[in-house]
Amino acid sequence: DAGITQSPRHKVTETGTPVTLRCHQTENHRYMYWYRQDPGHGLRLIHYSYGVKDTDKGEVSDGYSVSRSKTEDFLLTLESATSSQTSVYFCAIRKTSTQETQYFGPGTRLLVL
Amino acid sequence: AQKVTQAQTEISVVEKEDVTLDCVYETRDTTYYLFWYKQPPSGELVFLIRRNSFDEQNEISGRYSWNFQKSTSSFNFTITASQVVDSAVYFCALSEAQGAQKLVFGQGTRLTINP
Repeated sequence: DAGITQSPRHKVTETGTPVTLRCHQTENHRYMYWYRQDPGHGLRLIHYSYGVKDTDKGEVSDGYSVSRSKTEDFLLTLESATSSQTSVYFCAIRKTSTQETQYFGPGTRLLVL
Repeated sequence: AQKVTQAQTEISVVEKEDVTLDCVYETRDTTYYLFWYKQPPSGELVFLIRRNSFDEQNEISGRYSWNFQKSTSSFNFTITASQVVDSAVYFCALSEAQGAQKLVFGQGTRLTINP
């Protein structure tokens, strides 16, 4: 158990609606990441955080914003959801205690109609 | 830029056969990490192995083995005597060894083990 939860686990929303996904960790790891998984693309990095209020962009950051006001929570926001953002979203933490390995949460399946 | 290629989109074998999943990577970094993750039908991502670029020793864990060859930029994964429970999508990934260590994933290989 990597000590990561994601909420909600499933969400259906409409185009143009704001959506926020939450990632929560119980172990106070410094680095947290958001990835999206799409067929034919594997997983791609959206944003990551290296501490409270410290975030940076990944490969596919357009249309997404993030916030980290507490060590344990990393929020991903779709300001105005589009159908191209239909995907499975995974949060990850990096555990330095296990040789700098990223462990993933259970994922959030998002459908934008 | 870093890139990971898993050329095998889908593989289907009969139980007890050996199967090798290929992974080829590109990077300009001199030090880096390579990973394999498993995604079973339930959808979670399970970490299998991490390899440092300076350690080319092959690794064996039960029925699983990994062959890292820097000369060919490959990090292949072999399952010996496959079982139905090995059916999953397998991802190879690469990260820089410093800083954010952002993961770059291959497209994944869907492995089906038939009874």
